[in-house]
Amino acid sequence: SQTIHQWPATLVQPVGSPLSLECTVEGTSNPNLYWYRQAAGRGLQLLFYSVGIGQISSEVPQNLSASRPQDRQFILSSKKLLLSDSGFYLCAWMAGGGADTQYFGPGTRLTVL
Amino acid sequence: GESVGLHLPTLSVQEGDNSIINCAYSNSASDYFIWYKQESGKGPQFIIDIRSNMDKRQGQRVTVLLNKTVKHLSLQIAATQPGDSAVYFCAENRWTGFQKLVFGTGTRLLVSP
Repeated sequence: SQTIHQWPATLVQPVGSPLSLECTVEGTSNPNLYWYRQAAGRGLQLLFYSVGIGQISSEVPQNLSASRPQDRQFILSSKKLLLSDSGFYLCAWMAGGGADTQYFGPGTRLTVL
Repeated sequence: GESVGLHLPTLSVQEGDNSIINCAYSNSASDYFIWYKQESGKGPQFIIDIRSNMDKRQGQRVTVLLNKTVKHLSLQIAATQPGDSAVYFCAENRWTGFQKLVFGTGTRLLVSP
């Protein structure tokens, strides 16, 4: 069966510090991968998606970037965090080949102080 | 812009009652919808999905109804249990060159014993 991991689970960082969040998927090959951010009490906002290694598309302009160095690894980064980067970050995967359903990881709670 | 929204932010029910959570969508071309359950501090969990060529789909204790005429879908939970307490999101799966989920704000379901 497929599983998706995210780490760290929680993170407290000062403004201006760098960020690296990691997401890995097991049990599938060539998945579509997604990064979302969720503000408190709100829905999910798509940040990045990837259909393959090295292929990243951004949905919204922001202070963040994403990379996919391996087929089942997706990384969210920032060089200098802003207060507004605080939130709950979720990684999701979807099987390739025309599948529709996305499955989410456990999330990372980021607090920027 | 087009959006997927929910009618009620909070729904309180007694244990054993049936719960109905509603969702409106605005894109008449939408053809696939997903309901997710999100417990506090966790990632969204897939519950059930429905395609536009159906008007009803049943799972274990859950039923999703789709009314394309008024662009409305609902999630019905039978015999609601305390473990059902969570935020429920409907999501619309759109193809915009890639598979993209558009989420509503969510409805918080509170189940009292």
